[in-house]
Parts: sequence; C-alpha cells; structure tokens
Amino acid sequence: AQKVTQAQTEISVVEKEDVTLDCVYETRDTTYYLFWYKQPPSGELVFLIRRNSFDEQNEISGRYSWNFQKSTSSFNFTITASQVVDSAVYFCALSEALLRNNLFFGTGTRLTVIP
Amino acid sequence: DGGITQSPKYLFRKEGQNVTLSCEQNLNHDAMYWYRQDPGQGLRLIYYSQIVNDFQKGDIAEGYSVSREKKESFPLTVTSAQKNPTAFYLCASSIGGTPSSQPQHFGDGTRLSIL
Repeated sequence: AQKVTQAQTEISVVEKEDVTLDCVYETRDTTYYLFWYKQPPSGELVFLIRRNSFDEQNEISGRYSWNFQKSTSSFNFTITASQVVDSAVYFCALSEALLRNNLFFGTGTRLTVIP
Repeated sequence: DGGITQSPKYLFRKEGQNVTLSCEQNLNHDAMYWYRQDPGQGLRLIYYSQIVNDFQKGDIAEGYSVSREKKESFPLTVTSAQKNPTAFYLCASSIGGTPSSQPQHFGDGTRLSIL
C-alpha cells in the first residue's frame, strides 16, 4: 500500500497566486516524521521542512506554510504569492520510527508557475 | 562549502557491463543512502549505510552493490544483473543517531542510460 499519496501530479498557477500541494500519508506508528522536499530542474532534492507526529502546530516560513492534521493524515504545503522560482517538483515523505532509514516518498507534484 | 558530490552527472552503460556511480560527502554525516528515481515516481531506496563497513539493502537492492570503506564515500555499482538500470540516481546523507528523524541532504544526481 502506498504510504504517501500526492494526488496532484501537475499544477500550474499564474505568478502571485497561492497554491496548496496535498499530501496524505498512511502509518500505524505513533511516532513518525513527515518531510517536504523540493526538486528544481537541476535535480538535487532540497530539504524544506520536517515535522514529527507529536507536533501538530502549523508552521510558516516566509511564503511557505504547512498544515499538519493527524485527524485526516494530511500534511499539506501552501506557497503564498507564488514566484517563477517556485517551479519544481515537490515531494512529501514519511519516516517511521520503527523502520529506521527508510524514507517513503510520494510520487511528487510538479508545480509550474507561469509569469 | 559542505555538501554531497555525485559523479559523473551522465553515464552510459553497455549491455553486460558494470558501472560505478560515485558519491562523496564532506558533511561528516554517518549515514548515507542511494535512491533511484524513475519518471512519475517517487524515490525508492536501494541501499543505505549507517556506519563505515556496514550497509543494508533497501527496497530495490537487486542488481546493485555498494561499499562503505570510508565515512565520506559510498559508491554504488550497477551490475549487469540489473536489467532496467535507466534512471536518475540520487545519493543522500544524514546525521547519525536516529536517522528516521533527520533530514537527508542530497547530491545533484547521476543520470544513467543504456547504450
């Protein structure tokens, strides 16, 4: 079974629009960690955020914000006032405390910001 | 600057040939990982290593081999037994201890193709 689902394969928005990338995860562990990574055209994955299962506080970092809801097993990512430089593939990932070293990635969402 | 260096950026393999992908890190990280990325899919774990001279199979280890003789280096060999090696390969590292909670830092990747 897919542990991390990113249902949106591709999204296009016009610059300055807000956009939300969805991530739904599945785990039986009570202790787990959720991550978002950005993969620009250069290929390197860039770490954006880590959230542990005991911390449901939403987080904001500049134009980026994350909404973690255990009740719906979701960890959504919102970009406010999108910019062309935000164009990339974004991956959500899950790590379970009982399965060390195994990071389960979603299939990614390709975001295109149109100038 | 600290980081992860993968080489070469592009690699071509002939039928029946083994090829080795290089991964070097100067972040002083204990754990290192190899992932495979196919179009439209998330990353899948091939092998990982928590310490020198130790490594474990990931989800898709068949047809691959690794070594970890030095902390800084974690080369991946794609053997002739890997029948579908065309993919983008990413190397990552993370601080030791509790790897499941630590973000992984990625290299720029190597794109392997069959001639």
